[in-house]
Amino acid sequence: KQEVTQIPAALSVPEGENLVLNCSFTDSAIYNLQWFRQDPGKGLTSLLLIQSSQREQTSGRLNASLDKSSGRSTLYIAASQPGDSATYLCAVAGEGGSEKLVFGKGTKLTVNP
Amino acid sequence: NAGVTQTPKFRILKIGQSMTLQCTQDMNHNYMYWYRQDPGMGLKLIYYSVGAGITDKGEVPNGYNVSRSTTEDFPLRLELAAPSQTSVYFCASSFGTGASWAYEQYFGPGTRLTVT
Repeated sequence: KQEVTQIPAALSVPEGENLVLNCSFTDSAIYNLQWFRQDPGKGLTSLLLIQSSQREQTSGRLNASLDKSSGRSTLYIAASQPGDSATYLCAVAGEGGSEKLVFGKGTKLTVNP
Repeated sequence: NAGVTQTPKFRILKIGQSMTLQCTQDMNHNYMYWYRQDPGMGLKLIYYSVGAGITDKGEVPNGYNVSRSTTEDFPLRLELAAPSQTSVYFCASSFGTGASWAYEQYFGPGTRLTVT
């Protein structure tokens, strides 16, 4: 059974810092991996989706990498801002549709002004 | 586009009551999903649908029912509510093909349900 782990559970950084959020998964047979952002009391917003054949995806100050063989992904946030404060969730989709989107518990990020 | 909309935003139920959570999407997505999120936890899939008239169970389907009569709507029914169903419920949608999970999922704002 696929399990997704995110470390750390919470992270507090000063504004302007570059930071890395980690996601690991136990079964490397995945279709894709998605990173989401969740603001308090709100739904999820998709940030980046990496297909299994890709190594990384970039959007603005965000860069997500995928190492399928080792079961790891990282989300890199450059020049962090207070508006980046949110919970970041990682989710993986299994191959062949046999396993549904499996979520990690998230990393709660606080960027202090 | 409104995207994915959910009603109600909040609801308090007594044990044993029933209710329906509504979900509508206007993106013409064929796949729709219901998740629940318990405090400090990731999301868990309750039910999903790959098109009108087709539904299937996810990881935690017990105590819930769904139907999909149109592309746009995917209501979730709670029968005989229990305290264990206190959670935040999210509806999502995406395009899908045979490689069903290859596409980005779009989420609604959620319904916060308390069962007392």
